[in-house]
Amino acid sequence: DIVLTQSPATLSLSPGERATLSCRASQSITTFLAWYQQKPGQAPRLLIYDASKRATGIPARFSGSGSGTDFTLTISNLEPEDFAVYYCQQRTNWAEAFGQGTKVGIK
Amino acid sequence: EVQLLESGGGLEQPGGSLRLSCAASGFVFSNFAMNWVRQAPGKGLEWVSGIGDSGRNTYYADPVKGRFTISRDNSRNTLFLQMNSLRAEDTAVYYCAKDLSDWRPQYFDLWGQGALVTVSS
Repeated sequence: DIVLTQSPATLSLSPGERATLSCRASQSITTFLAWYQQKPGQAPRLLIYDASKRATGIPARFSGSGSGTDFTLTISNLEPEDFAVYYCQQRTNWAEAFGQGTKVGIK
Repeated sequence: EVQLLESGGGLEQPGGSLRLSCAASGFVFSNFAMNWVRQAPGKGLEWVSGIGDSGRNTYYADPVKGRFTISRDNSRNTLFLQMNSLRAEDTAVYYCAKDLSDWRPQYFDLWGQGALVTVSS
């Protein structure tokens, strides 16, 4: 089974700063990785798929990179609405599709 | 409006059954795979099951295999999840999620608001 490990668990930043979130796969998943944002009491929202493709309507400040086992979600110039939990998800093996999440909180 | 609307959640005893429904609107339902994803209280996301556009291909996570059945009615733009032999660990918010793909689970680009399922005696 493929396991996704996200780091850090929590990130404390101020609006306007850059956020860098990591997702590491236990084995290669080429570029078959997505990122989701979830705010309290809301459903998740797809941000990035295939490691670097922005989903429809997602602002350009969200970008994804990586391949193989190491992936990064970067949020440049954090807006107040970006403080949320972020999950990565792989589509290669469905035993554990999602990472455990990274919470981006306000400093 | 493009949306997914779940219904059918509630409180059920261990060993009981529940059937979730998800009504889709605003897109061509029969062109896309669909999924159920759950989230236990205070926990992360867990993919539960997926179904291809025609309904012929179904996929399940190991914890629910043999107990849950996913199905769809393309004439009614509705997705279902029949949950039998419920356990306490099935307690979660269940999200219906549209896939970017047509034939198998890949990525989820539209989500419903969620239906709470509580399994407790």
